[in-house]
This record gives sequence, structure tokens and C-alpha cells, in this order.
Amino acid sequence: GENVEQHPSTLSVQEGDSAVIKCTYSDSASNYFPWYKQELGKGPQLIIDIRSNVGEKKDQRIAVTLNKTAKHFSLHITETQPEDSAVYFCAASIAGANNLFFGTGTRLTVIP
Amino acid sequence: SAVISQKPSRDICQRGTSLTIQCQVDSQVTMMFWYRQQPGQSLTLIATANQGSEATYESGFVIDKFPISRPNLTFSTLTVSNMSPEDSSIYLCSVVGAADTQYFGPGTRLTVL
Repeated sequence: GENVEQHPSTLSVQEGDSAVIKCTYSDSASNYFPWYKQELGKGPQLIIDIRSNVGEKKDQRIAVTLNKTAKHFSLHITETQPEDSAVYFCAASIAGANNLFFGTGTRLTVIP
Repeated sequence: SAVISQKPSRDICQRGTSLTIQCQVDSQVTMMFWYRQQPGQSLTLIATANQGSEATYESGFVIDKFPISRPNLTFSTLTVSNMSPEDSSIYLCSVVGAADTQYFGPGTRLTVL
């Protein structure tokens, strides 16, 4: 089955700096890669996703890149703000199969 | 995106008892899932809730421990049976929306004493 690894497990940045979280996956058949943000006491919220037919996707301060050859994808948050502080999870799946395989999570702290 | 609600939001239970968690969606969805998130951990899929048929369980999860109902396309329940402290977790339901995107409910935080 699919194995998703995520690094780092914790990340602290100064407000206004950028944050990068990296994930690798093992199953070359995976073609859908969502990222979720989970705030304390809440369920995971989808913030961005990417499919294997593109290499990069951007939505305001958030971007995701995908390298299919190397089987890794990354989340980039620019101009970080204190409200970006949360746990971020990457995931991988085969579109249509709907079984998401999650990374272990990254706790991001943005220091004002 | 679908609006998902769960009841209860949290509960504290005694070992040996059972708790039923409800998941309600504001629109009809085909695919519905139940996940477990142990303290400080990632999400693990328990089962797929199938409408009109038995749920499909992942390795390590069995129907006797986690019976699931899915009477229609907007509602599902997960029961955690004969609870032990190891069952203390957040239980989350999720649904699949347009373009295979998966959305999660707010979760039910369960503590077993």
C-alpha cells in the first residue's frame, strides 16, 4: 500500500517568513495530493490540492509543487501570519479510489 | 463544499460502554468515510460507509468493534463498542465532493476512562 512521509514534524517561523513542508509517497499510481490544515479542536480543512497532470498550483499565499519522477510534493506558505499556526497534513491517493493516505503531520508555529 | 456536522462534539465515557457518533451532511453524497485520529497522531481510515449495504473495513478494524450504519445519502453513524482507554481519539467523518475532493467534519473527541 501507499506510504506517505512528511517532514518536518515541527516548524517555527517568524511572521512574514516563508514555510515549506515536504512529503514523499511510495505508490507511483497515486495521482491526487491534497493538503489539509487542522486547527486545535477542529476537523482537517482542505487548503489546496494538486493532481499529477500539473507540476505546480498556487492560491494566494499558498502553493504546492509536485515532482512525479522523484515522488515528492511540497507545500509553500509565503508571508506567514499567526493565523497560519496549525497542524498541516499532506495526503496521497488514486483519484476515484478515494482512500486518502495521510502523512504524519507538521505542527507550524508562526511567531509574531 | 459540503457542510458536515457531527454529534456529539465530545464525550467522556466509562470503559465497557458504547458510544454512537452521528454524521450529517447537507447534501447527498455517494462516498462517506470514518477516520480515527489518536492523540497527536495522523488520520487512519476505519471504514467506508456504504449506503444500503455493509461498511467496508480497513485492516485492523472490525464490524463488531465499530459497527456503522448508512441509512441514506446524507447520514451515517459510527458506534465505538465495549470501549477501553485505547479508544480515546478524535473520530471524524468525511465525504467526497466534486472532483474527488474529500471534506471532513469537525470531529468527535472521545475520552474513555
